[in-house]
Amino acid sequence: DQQVKQNSPSLSVQEGRISILNCDYTNSMFDYFLWYKKYPAEGPTFLISISSIKDKNEDGRFTVFLNKSAKHLSLHIVPSQPGDSAVYFCAASGTGGGATNKLIFGTGTLLAVQP
Amino acid sequence: GAGVSQTPSNKVTEKGKYVELRCDPISGHTALYWYRQSLGQGPEFLIYFQGTGAADDSGLPNDRFFAVRPEGSVSTLKIQRTERGDSAVYLCASSRPAGAGGYTFGSGTRLTVV
Repeated sequence: DQQVKQNSPSLSVQEGRISILNCDYTNSMFDYFLWYKKYPAEGPTFLISISSIKDKNEDGRFTVFLNKSAKHLSLHIVPSQPGDSAVYFCAASGTGGGATNKLIFGTGTLLAVQP
Repeated sequence: GAGVSQTPSNKVTEKGKYVELRCDPISGHTALYWYRQSLGQGPEFLIYFQGTGAADDSGLPNDRFFAVRPEGSVSTLKIQRTERGDSAVYLCASSRPAGAGGYTFGSGTRLTVV
């Protein structure tokens, strides 16, 4: 049973536009959510996180929104750049361990930013 | 070191053989994790070490899988009697004990069982 779901396997956007990547989860006990970016033949790279007590966290071009009632989070990238093209994984953790606890990952969304 | 180092980067082995995968975490990171990523899937948790001890090994799929971290630094993931279904990328990550920055992953070891 997939506790973290990324229902869009791929997304294509034009350079300069906004990219919106979505993630849904089923376990209300998750208390920390993270986004990772992965290039081919490399390990995932931490991008941004959000605690369940917040509804928004922003870091430069990247903003994560959390809607706890809907069990939904999204990653906004604006403006999108060709170098953002990668697979993006949503991940969640629980039991109070925060971002350093074991993570449950989604299946990923392949983002392609067209020049 | 500057990052998490995993060796070998690629490993091809025959069904039934024993393999060892090595992870060298970032210096000073006391937490170490092993994940497995199969094709088309996200990373799947295997085991978590805090120091030398396995704090959580609930993700190990069966008793053919074992991991050690004898001195609290380098870790080795050991797979006995490999099966074709063990083929995946095995990812290691490390972190400080607490913080909001998430893990730092290595580039992984691609294991292929033929």
